Amino acid sequence: GENVGLHLPTLSVQEGDNSIINCAYSNSASDYFIWYKQESGKGPQFIIDIRSNMDKRQGQRVTVLLNKTVKHLSLQIAATQPGDSAVYFCAENLTGNQFYFGTGTSLTVIP
Amino acid sequence: EPEVTQTPSHQVTQMGQEVILRCVPISNHLYFYWYRQILGQKVEFLVSFYNNEISEKSEIFDDQFSVERPDGSNFTLKIRSTKLEDSAMYFCASTPRIRNTEAFFGQGTRLTVV
Repeated sequence: GENVGLHLPTLSVQEGDNSIINCAYSNSASDYFIWYKQESGKGPQFIIDIRSNMDKRQGQRVTVLLNKTVKHLSLQIAATQPGDSAVYFCAENLTGNQFYFGTGTSLTVIP
Repeated sequence: EPEVTQTPSHQVTQMGQEVILRCVPISNHLYFYWYRQILGQKVEFLVSFYNNEISEKSEIFDDQFSVERPDGSNFTLKIRSTKLEDSAMYFCASTPRIRNTEAFFGQGTRLTVV
């Protein structure tokens, strides 16, 4: 399968600080990316997406940055809250309708 | 808000037995998927389904696996003869169109093969 990998398996941040979660992908032909959040015992939950014709997209408290030159995605969470504690996956859509998921980064927010 | 629902939430089965995992995708979605997540590992694509046939499948989806849309609402994954290594979370997902769209995931079925 395609290599969608995360740089850091775990991340701990203080409540109120900003979080940055990184993801590398290997296929330059991928044209659509999603960040998912997965809480314990639940399915992946959509956070934000970005198409390859963009380099930045903002949502509510979240921003995704796409650097196609180095095939890198990041998810920025502003003012991180305890409810943000979860595993975060980037997912890559290369061809057809399947997503390739990264390994995941576990975010822990320290109150 | 519409959601994908899966049953059962947890299934324990003996090795060699057949299991059927059930999903009700979002009603106006046309594309359906099964993904698997072995404990502590990443989510892996198994199969996609559209217009009553498989559109893509991964190497994991071998002859032991099959999918079916038996009626207008359910989407099932059958494992004919379960192996210990089939133990995982199985997620169903659906999308309204084929590409460049969010996949909506169910809560998953935890399959434990003993």
